[in-house]
Amino acid sequence: DAGITQSPRHKVTETGTPVTLRCHQTENHRYMYWYRQDPGHGLRLIHYSYGVKDTDKGEVSDGYSVSRSKTEDFLLTLESATSSQTSVYFCAMGRNQETQYFGPGTRLLVL
Amino acid sequence: RKEVEQDPGPFNVPEGATVAFNCTYSNSASQSFFWYRQDCRKEPKLLMSVYSSGNEDGRFTAQLNRASQYISLLIRDSKLSDSATYLCAVNPTSGTYKYIFGTGTRLKVLA
Repeated sequence: DAGITQSPRHKVTETGTPVTLRCHQTENHRYMYWYRQDPGHGLRLIHYSYGVKDTDKGEVSDGYSVSRSKTEDFLLTLESATSSQTSVYFCAMGRNQETQYFGPGTRLLVL
Repeated sequence: RKEVEQDPGPFNVPEGATVAFNCTYSNSASQSFFWYRQDCRKEPKLLMSVYSSGNEDGRFTAQLNRASQYISLLIRDSKLSDSATYLCAVNPTSGTYKYIFGTGTRLKVLA
């Protein structure tokens, strides 16, 4: 279960501040994903990656960017945090397109 | 209509009972289906994939009904430890990675 970690686990920031969340995996999985989870909306895909430097947008990508310079790391950046980005962020990895294993999550509060 | 819908519950059942949840999806071309379990304030964990022929893992059985566009999860002999939220996930388009998650069905198994 420790094959995927997220940092930080909790963060409080102010509106307008850039924020970067890190996802790190040790399983050499090709696919990685960033989701946010909000009451009433469930898990929504922000961005995903299908290889180093290969990323694409998900359902709710506005205001977010990602980078994947190494197989093991997938970074999510909130370019200028807004209160609507207060959420729980989950990273996931997968060896193939079918399975996804989630990290422990990051709770972000934007004041 | 949401792409993936679940009854939020809660389903309150006594220990030993059998309980079933459904998850409906709107895109008839959907290819892949999954059930995840999520404990309170934890990450989702893959419970099982749902194949056209059905899938059984111990007390858990998952089935796909393409004609009516839903998947189901049956839990037999419920345990207190089965109390959690059960999320369904659907990949609406073959060859993409954009999974759509339901908002989850909450199960409480009562002693």
